[in-house]
Amino acid sequence: QSVLPQPPSASGTPGQRVTISCSGSSPNIGTNPVNWYQQLPGTAPKLLIYSNFQRPSGVPDRFSGSKSGTSASLAISGLQSDDEADYYCSTWDDSLNGYVFGTGTKVTVL
Amino acid sequence: EVQLLESGGGLVQPGGSLRLSCGGSGFTFSSYGMTWVRQAPGKGLEWLSGISGRGSGSTPRYADSVKGRFAVSRDNSKNTLYLQMDSLRVEDTAIYYCVKDWGGSGSHDAFDFWGQGTTVTVSS
Repeated sequence: QSVLPQPPSASGTPGQRVTISCSGSSPNIGTNPVNWYQQLPGTAPKLLIYSNFQRPSGVPDRFSGSKSGTSASLAISGLQSDDEADYYCSTWDDSLNGYVFGTGTKVTVL
Repeated sequence: EVQLLESGGGLVQPGGSLRLSCGGSGFTFSSYGMTWVRQAPGKGLEWLSGISGRGSGSTPRYADSVKGRFAVSRDNSKNTLYLQMDSLRVEDTAIYYCVKDWGGSGSHDAFDFWGQGTTVTVSS
C-alpha cells in the first residue's frame, strides 16, 4: 500500500512553532480530506486533526492543519515537552480503494 | 466512554493462523465502520482492513499486503470485530490496533478511537 512522504524528524525549543508536511497525489490528498494522528511514546495513536483542519474535542488549538492541492501540513505552535511524539498524516486513496498513512514524523522538543 | 479491547494476539509459527477479536463499548457499535491498523516494531502505521457498520451488504476492504490471507468480520449482536489471519509471515509481526471509524461507511472517515493494541509475533 502506498505511503505519503513526511520528513522523518522535526524539532524546536519550547514555545516555538513546528510544521510537518505530508505529500500526496491526486487520488489521495488531492481528492480526500486529510487526518492527523499523534502517537506518544509507547501508546496507541490518537486523532489530532480531521477533515484537513478540524480539531476533535479536547485537542488544544496549538495544533492546526491545512491542505493545499496534493499536500497537507500540521503546525504545532507554542511547542511543549508533552508534544514529543510521532505524527502521522492519513487519507483515503481512491485509486487503491483503501487508506494510506504518512511515513511519520518524530517531533523532538530541544 | 468509548472503549476498544483487543485480544487474541500471541506467538505463531510462519504459515500459521490467528484470530484477533475486538470488543467495543460506549457507543452504538453497529452504526460505525471499524478498521484494523498495524504497526511493525519501530515502523509506521499500516492500514489493513475496514468494514462498514452494517457489515453484511458491503464488501470489506483490504490492503494488498494482506488480501487473500486476512478476513475481517463483525458480530454486531456481540459488539465485536474480528480479524482472521491465515498464512502468517514473519513480516506480519506487529502490534494490531482495532480502530473505530468516525462514520458508518467503512471508508473515507477519520479514525476517532483506537484500542491499545494486541501483539502478534510470527516466528519459528
